[in-house]
Formats: sequence, structure tokens, C-alpha cells
Amino acid sequence: EVHLLESGGDLVQPGGSLRLSCAYSGHSFSSYVFTWIRQAPGKGLQWVSSISGLSGPGTFGTTYYTDSVKGRLTISRDSSRNMVYLYFFDLKDEDTALYYCATTLSVGANLDSWGQGTLVTVSS
Amino acid sequence: DIQMTQSPSTLSASVGETVTITCRAGQSISDFLAWFQLKPGKAPKLLIYKASSLASGVPSRFSGSGSGTEFTLTINSLEPEDFATYYCQQYIYYPVCSFGQGTKVEI
Repeated sequence: EVHLLESGGDLVQPGGSLRLSCAYSGHSFSSYVFTWIRQAPGKGLQWVSSISGLSGPGTFGTTYYTDSVKGRLTISRDSSRNMVYLYFFDLKDEDTALYYCATTLSVGANLDSWGQGTLVTVSS
Repeated sequence: DIQMTQSPSTLSASVGETVTITCRAGQSISDFLAWFQLKPGKAPKLLIYKASSLASGVPSRFSGSGSGTEFTLTINSLEPEDFATYYCQQYIYYPVCSFGQGTKVEI
């Protein structure tokens, strides 16, 4: 059974930086697209960033970001460790949220495997 | 960004009832529409993809329909474990996507 486990969430001051990690346990890590989605307290889900796999879209490692985080965020993946990372720079209060890592395992489905999330709190 | 609008925001229902949640897209998204269930402290769960396809392991009381800009999620005969928050999501430009604001189904 595939498992996603997020870590790295913490209390950080505004302007600080943080690295979130997503550990994937399963087969064919390099094939899949990985996505970060967040949920701010009392708010809905917001897509944050994605990184392509060997199965696309586009070339392996293509990155995608929501407009509100462009320039403050880098997503990356490490196939030797089956890990996906989210590097946050210049954190703002509005980045406070539960961050989920998700992927699509079944052909034709969409985001059918999720972790339980890691909490980022930005506060002075 | 494609705006997704869900209604209602909150829905009160009883066990055994049938409920329907509506999701409208700001532009046509064909059938690239998914529904998710969220419960506190649990990983989000995919219920429906491609507007009407039931995800693996999801009970058949859940169903989805629609295309273009109007979509619905129907839960037949609510079970106690169905009380949760539900989100629609468009993914026509996968992996870029956007979600509705959520519908809380409460007792």
C-alpha cells in the first residue's frame, strides 16, 4: 500500500524560511506527479505547487506554482530517496496552514493518495 | 484561475437522507472535475473523478454528474461517517487546479 508522510512543519517568524518534506513509500516514485495543497485555519483547500514525473505532464521535473507563492517557493524531488520537498522563503502570515502532499496513482484518477499533512505556523 | 463555486456552504441532514451538493465552474472544464471528502485529523479522500467516476473503495451511495460548468455530488442514504466537508476541484489544466470553498454536511 502506498503511503505519503509529510514532515517539517514548524512555528516560523515572518520572513523566515522552512523546508517541508514528503516521504513516498511505494513503487515507481519517478513516474508520478507530486502536488502540495494547503488549508489555512477555517479556510478551504488551495493548490500550492506540483512537480512532474516521468509520465508527465511535460518533461520530468517541470514545476508549477500558484501565483501567490511564486518567487518564494521551490518544489523539488529526489528519486534516490523517494522524497519531495517544498522550500519556503520569506514566509508570510497568510502561509499559515496545514500542508498536504498528494499524488495520483491510478490512471485516469486525480489526487487519489494523500498524506495527513504537516502544520506551518507563521507568527512573531 | 478558474473560479469554483459550491453551494450550499452548509447542509443539515439526517442519517438516511439523500443530499446533493452543487459546484459551478467559472468556465467550461469539460468533465475534469473531482470531489473530495475531508474529516478533521484524516487525510483527504478522493470520492469522484472525471465528474462521474467512482474512486476505488468509495461506496456506491456516492455519485457525481455534470459537464461543462455545472456539476453535482449526490450522497444517497447518508451514513453517520458521511458527515464531513466536501470539496469540488477542477483540473482541466492538470496539475494546476483549483477548489471550491467547501460544503459542510452536518447533522
